[in-house]
Amino acid sequence: SAVISQKPSRDICQRGTSLTIQCQVDSQVTMMFWYRQQPGQSLTLIATANQGSEATYESGFVIDKFPISRPNLTFSTLTVSNMSPEDSSIYLCSVGAVNTEAFFGQGTRLTVV
Amino acid sequence: GESVGLHLPTLSVQEGDNSIINCAYSNSASDYFIWYKQESGKGPQFIIDIRSNMDKRQGQRVTVLLNKTVKHLSLQIAATQPGDSAVYFCAENESGGYQKVTFGTGTKLQVIP
Repeated sequence: SAVISQKPSRDICQRGTSLTIQCQVDSQVTMMFWYRQQPGQSLTLIATANQGSEATYESGFVIDKFPISRPNLTFSTLTVSNMSPEDSSIYLCSVGAVNTEAFFGQGTRLTVV
Repeated sequence: GESVGLHLPTLSVQEGDNSIINCAYSNSASDYFIWYKQESGKGPQFIIDIRSNMDKRQGQRVTVLLNKTVKHLSLQIAATQPGDSAVYFCAENESGGYQKVTFGTGTKLQVIP
């Protein structure tokens, strides 16, 4: 198993600003993932954070809007840039290995006003 | 694209009764399936998983059934308790490549005391 800590747990931000969310894992992991969960909905994968290379983004998500860093095997950040109210969501960090369960952080609840 | 979905968005169950949550998936190449429980304000928590070479797996009070013929998953919770109230997601893991979990729509389970 893995213990994942996300910061901040919640934030209220002004539109047009950016927020960086941090994800810390208690062990070294190859792959880290960022998900978005819009109100009352399921989780949608934003991107896979790769250590030593650029993140791999899913359809509908772009690096300019959601830049990701992965400086080492235990840490990653997701930035939500130039925010609008439509970005209000829960953002979740996850780790996993091939064909095993994924572990999630508690999420960052973002409200954009 | 491929998708994973659920039949029922909300399920109300009397405490002590058994609960059955259903899920349909469309990617016939998926070979690993997971059920997650998400309580309010928390990230998804692993409940039970099943691989495509099995049709049933049991855990503590939970059973997952897999019917590959009709691409259907179910989660059975025995003797449902108030603490089981949460949103339940089925998820599929794409075979090959890296760990990428695709989540279904989610079912909210409400346990009536």
